[in-house]
Amino acid sequence: SQELEQSPQSLIVQEGKNLTINCTSSKTLYGLYWYKQKYGEGLIFLMMLQKGGEEKSHEKITAKLDEKKQQSSLHITASQPSHAGIYLCGADGAGANNLFFGTGTRLTVIP
Amino acid sequence: DARVTQTPRHKVTEMGQEVTMRCQPILGHNTVFWYRQTMMQGLELLAYFRNRAPLDDSGMPKDRFSAEMPDATLATLKIQPSEPRDSAVYFCASGLGQGQTQYFGPGTRLLVL
Repeated sequence: SQELEQSPQSLIVQEGKNLTINCTSSKTLYGLYWYKQKYGEGLIFLMMLQKGGEEKSHEKITAKLDEKKQQSSLHITASQPSHAGIYLCGADGAGANNLFFGTGTRLTVIP
Repeated sequence: DARVTQTPRHKVTEMGQEVTMRCQPILGHNTVFWYRQTMMQGLELLAYFRNRAPLDDSGMPKDRFSAEMPDATLATLKIQPSEPRDSAVYFCASGLGQGQTQYFGPGTRLLVL
């Protein structure tokens, strides 16, 4: 079965620092989604990547999918306390409609 | 601003009681998903529907869980009887099908004592 591994599991950074979260799949990704979750809340959709080499940005967050479509990274530039939360990568199961998720990366940004 | 809504947001119940969770998908979305999130297992798919028909419920314990879509604006997840190990946050998500973004509701936080 396909699995998604995220690293690091947790990250503590000083406000203003850049950071990167990685998501690695054991198989080719058909669609890769990044979500953010705050404690006690639902998942907020950030970005979706489908093509090898694709890169998308929204405000200070950039997500990339490698050419082989097995690894994605999420990069935050000049982090702010509002970026704190749990970042989850999700992927389309081959031939299926459901998403399966990585274990998450807990980000803490210290003011 | 279209959103997935879920009720109740919190539920505390005793073991053996019936629990019903409700979800209103975003209008026009034809695919609805139920997920469960725990610290130990992370986010797991329980069931999903397309055009109100159940497509996959292999993630659900069949003996106690049931999921239905009485109409296009309502999805329900029922646990009967509930057990302490069912304590988790249950999320509903809706979307427009395969390869399309899923939008999540705020979740129902369930505690079974």
